[in-house]
Amino acid sequence: KQEVTQIPAALSVPEGENLVLNCSFTDSAIYNLQWFRQDPGKGLTSLLLIQSSQREQTSGRLNASLDKSSGRSTLYIAASQPGDSATYLCAVRLAAKELVFGQGTRLTINP
Amino acid sequence: GAVVSQHPSWVICKSGTSVKIECRSLDFQATTMFWYRQFPKQSLMLMATSNEGSKATYEQGVEKDKFLINHASLTLSTLTVTSAHPEDSSFYICSARDTGAIYGYTFGSGTRLTVV
Repeated sequence: KQEVTQIPAALSVPEGENLVLNCSFTDSAIYNLQWFRQDPGKGLTSLLLIQSSQREQTSGRLNASLDKSSGRSTLYIAASQPGDSATYLCAVRLAAKELVFGQGTRLTINP
Repeated sequence: GAVVSQHPSWVICKSGTSVKIECRSLDFQATTMFWYRQFPKQSLMLMATSNEGSKATYEQGVEKDKFLINHASLTLSTLTVTSAHPEDSSFYICSARDTGAIYGYTFGSGTRLTVV
């Protein structure tokens, strides 16, 4: 059974810092991996999607990497801003299966 | 990009009543939609997979008779919480996948259900 773990569970950093969020998964036979952002009481916003054949994806200040063999992904946020405060969820998809989510990392960027 | 609309965004109902939540794919067709439940400060738990024109597939431990799912068209799936109880209070989120897009899964904005 696929299990997804995110570390740390919560993170608080000053504005302007670069930071890394970690995601690990137990079954490396994934179809793709997706990072989401969730604001309190809201739905999920897709940030980056990495196909199993890819190593990384970039969007603005966000960069996500994928190492399938080791079962790890990282989300790098550059020059953090207070507006980046949210819960970040990673999810993996096995072929023809639904998404399996991690528990999320609650990120707080302090002005 | 693909957009999924979920309605209502919040609802308060009395114990014993039923509540219907709608999930619509606005600019694409979705043969499959997914319903999740999220408890405070926890991750999403898949409840069921909704299949257009056929019965939904429920995850282990999810009561089929309590959570009725109907996927009557390629753009609409509904989740009905029947005979709601306070323990059904939660945040419910639907998602769909646009098979022609690179965006992966798209999620609705969620529905906060409070049963009093």
